[in-house]
Amino acid sequence: AQTVTQSQPEMSVQEAETVTLSCTYDTSESNYYLFWYKQPPSRQMILVIRQEAYKQQNATENRFSVNFQKAAKSFSLKISDSQLGDTAMYFCAFMSYGGATNKLIFGTGTLLAVQP
Amino acid sequence: DVKVTQSSRYLVKRTGEKVFLECVQDMDHENMFWYRQDPGLGLRLIYFSYDVKMKEKGDIPEGYSVSREKKERFSLILESASTNQTSMYLCASSLTGFKQPQHFGDGTRLSIL
Repeated sequence: AQTVTQSQPEMSVQEAETVTLSCTYDTSESNYYLFWYKQPPSRQMILVIRQEAYKQQNATENRFSVNFQKAAKSFSLKISDSQLGDTAMYFCAFMSYGGATNKLIFGTGTLLAVQP
Repeated sequence: DVKVTQSSRYLVKRTGEKVFLECVQDMDHENMFWYRQDPGLGLRLIYFSYDVKMKEKGDIPEGYSVSREKKERFSLILESASTNQTSMYLCASSLTGFKQPQHFGDGTRLSIL
């Protein structure tokens, strides 16, 4: 069975600085998808970024980028130029390839606080 | 944009009551999901559905059931609510196909007294 581990329950960063959130996963599959979701306080969970396992190039979305290390089964999220609006719970998630549905397996989350 | 609407943001019920949580999506998604979110445990899948009248158990189905009579609506039912079901409940939907992301509702914070 696949598992996703986020070892940092809470993190803090100063506005305008860079922060990296860690995520490791365990799977025996060779092709899969990885996601980072963001859940702001009392607001809807939204997709931040996604990475397909067979693509070696790291995904980037504006200030958000990932460091995908397939051999190490690591998928960290880097937030550059942190903004107050980045304060949120961040979840790493794993999706298997194939099957009738798109089931996600989530980590336990990292609560990020951006300080002014 | 995809809209996933959960019927209540906050709900308070009593032990033993039958509780219905409703979720509606407006983008003709095949797949719908119910999660439970608890501090330190992340999101855990309760049930999901990949078509009308089809359902499959997730990781923690005990004490819950679901109903999907129409494609856009997916209901979570607590047959006899208990205090350990006090939690945040999230509904999500997605298209079928690898890499299709899930889209989430605002969540329902349910308290069982």
